[in-house]
Amino acid sequence: DTAVSQTPKYLVTQMGNDKSIKCEQNLGHDTMYWYKQDSKKFLKIMFSYNNKELIINETVPNRFSPKSPDKAHLNLHINSLELGDSAVYFCASSQDGLAGAGETQYFGPGTRLLVL
Amino acid sequence: KNEVEQSPQNLTAQEGEFITINCSYSVGISALHWLQQHPGGGIVSLFMLSSGKKKHGRLIATINIQEKHSSLHITASHPRDSAVYICAVGPWDSNYQLIWGAGTKLIIKP
Repeated sequence: DTAVSQTPKYLVTQMGNDKSIKCEQNLGHDTMYWYKQDSKKFLKIMFSYNNKELIINETVPNRFSPKSPDKAHLNLHINSLELGDSAVYFCASSQDGLAGAGETQYFGPGTRLLVL
Repeated sequence: KNEVEQSPQNLTAQEGEFITINCSYSVGISALHWLQQHPGGGIVSLFMLSSGKKKHGRLIATINIQEKHSSLHITASHPRDSAVYICAVGPWDSNYQLIWGAGTKLIIKP
């Protein structure tokens, strides 16, 4: 069984479109994350939810909106896609959200978004 | 200047060589993570360190808190070790956040 899964794996779309990426974890973790990995391979935290509550909300355009219907799911909706949104988006989860204190994060396989 | 610096950025070596990847950071930390990103893109956690040294198979990770430095070593390297190795630190004033390094791309040639 996949611990952290994301769909779709690849997403090619036109500028201006709205798209969603879904993430699910079956590890029973309380915290889920969205990261963006750009062409330079830096991982940048976008959002983190703990038990459906937003705990990290970095400087991200408000075209990006996370939604957590329950603690096992964290979806990312992107409005009015721009060329610069092209990147790989990773979902991750951890037990209590304490990665800074040493807790292990488990990553999904990534969603490769290409905006044309 | 990034708060977490990794060196080298790229490393190519022959199979069997001893590999060292370095991570230096400028903030006080609670923990340091080493992760591996496979060529296919998947990311897995290798180690979490707050002091000393950890070993898992052919991988060894060390940390020197006073010098704000960690190293990841691979003994008897193999082409399947080819990946990007990423260092991330948890600053002491935030249990929730990580500061990420840019990664070291390792290629092991047969």
